[in-house]
Amino acid sequence: QQKVQQSPESLTVSEGAMASLNCTFSDGTSNNFRWYRQHSAKGLEVLVSIFSDGEKEEGRFTAHLNRANLHVSLHIREPQPSDSAVYLCAVNTGYQNFYFGKGTSLTVIP
Amino acid sequence: GPKVLQIPSHQIIDMGQMVTLNCDPVSNHLYFYWYKQILGQQMEFLVNFYNGKVMEKSKLFKDQFSVERPDGSYFTLKIQPTALEDSAVYFCASSFGTGGTNTGQLYFGEGSKLTVL
Repeated sequence: QQKVQQSPESLTVSEGAMASLNCTFSDGTSNNFRWYRQHSAKGLEVLVSIFSDGEKEEGRFTAHLNRANLHVSLHIREPQPSDSAVYLCAVNTGYQNFYFGKGTSLTVIP
Repeated sequence: GPKVLQIPSHQIIDMGQMVTLNCDPVSNHLYFYWYKQILGQQMEFLVNFYNGKVMEKSKLFKDQFSVERPDGSYFTLKIQPTALEDSAVYFCASSFGTGGTNTGQLYFGEGSKLTVL
């Protein structure tokens, strides 16, 4: 079964400093990687999707994928206090079955 | 962005009763999903559904669970009978397509919190 692990569990950064979040997965055949964020047990907000090795940017959010290392990361440029939330990594296995990590709780302090 | 609506937002029922959670997916989406999140734990896949059929389900999708979407109405998750361990937030999602493309992007509702007493 796919294992998705995120680190760190929690992260505090100052407003404007880069925030970097990590996600490792176990199924090397996965080809569909998505980052979401969740504010206070609400619904998930789409951030960025990546399907091949390299980099994908969506506004201030950049995902890096290295499938050989079973690693995908998210970098948030110039984070704001409103970016404080739980960030979730989702990786597919099989048809359209996404496994989620436990999340990284990000706090951005002014 | 596209919105997925879930009804009810919160339901409290006694163990053994039946519950139906309703999801109004994004209007042109074809694939539908249910995920379960116990408080403080990770989001876990339950089932995905396409063209009137369950495509994949996890071991969490017990025999007491069923899904359907009769004639383009709500996509529903029914639990009958409920058990204490079914208490969780259930998230519905939908996507237009699948796979490693942007059409496979899942859009989530805000969740239905189920409390089984």
